Amino acid sequence: GESVGLHLPTLSVQEGDNSIINCAYSNSASDYFIWYKQESGKGPQFIIDIRSNMDKRQGQRVTVLLNKTVKHLSLQIAATQPGDSAVYFCAEARPNTGNQFYFGTGTSLTVIP
Amino acid sequence: DTEVTQTPKHLVMGMTNKKSLKCEQHMGHRAMYWYKQKAKKPPELMFVYSYEKLSINESVPSRFSPECPNSSLLNLHLHALQPEDSALYLCASSQGPGNQPQHFGDGTRLSIL
Repeated sequence: GESVGLHLPTLSVQEGDNSIINCAYSNSASDYFIWYKQESGKGPQFIIDIRSNMDKRQGQRVTVLLNKTVKHLSLQIAATQPGDSAVYFCAEARPNTGNQFYFGTGTSLTVIP
Repeated sequence: DTEVTQTPKHLVMGMTNKKSLKCEQHMGHRAMYWYKQKAKKPPELMFVYSYEKLSINESVPSRFSPECPNSSLLNLHLHALQPEDSALYLCASSQGPGNQPQHFGDGTRLSIL
């Protein structure tokens, strides 16, 4: 399943399928990006980050892709599990803003068993 | 369990009350943050402390007053709040200034009567 992040705030996928969550960022000078997972009643949990000198980074079951040309970020989750159900936020750090992160609107992922 | 601890988890207060939110981390991080998150919205930055000094105030009303007593603690003093201030207040920390992952607590759910 795939979402457009800022434009499609919900995504439902079958357990075991791969998920793709997308995010469009606004500032071409942004140089650091983080994906967070937020479960109900919890704070955002760091998943993976990527700097602007990279276009791909892999973690455990997750991959982040960065396309600076079109200012697009995606999070791929392999073999999605029910425990992956949550809201996913991308966050961009803009240069010279002193640690300010700007969060996207979020995508709610629901995994269907 | 998160390594950033926030207390209390829930707080209900009247508009004339004075209360404080507390945040603690023991990871040796030197940057700490307060965010406000409304339901189904992304976190919004309020304040940034870097090396125990306030470095960013995102035009937050004076009824919110942050304090950083030492490198492990961050407080948010509340006075004369309005009903629209009801939200989840999140604390985060990062190793230092610059583009680094921010680690969030689970927040204080604040309700203003």
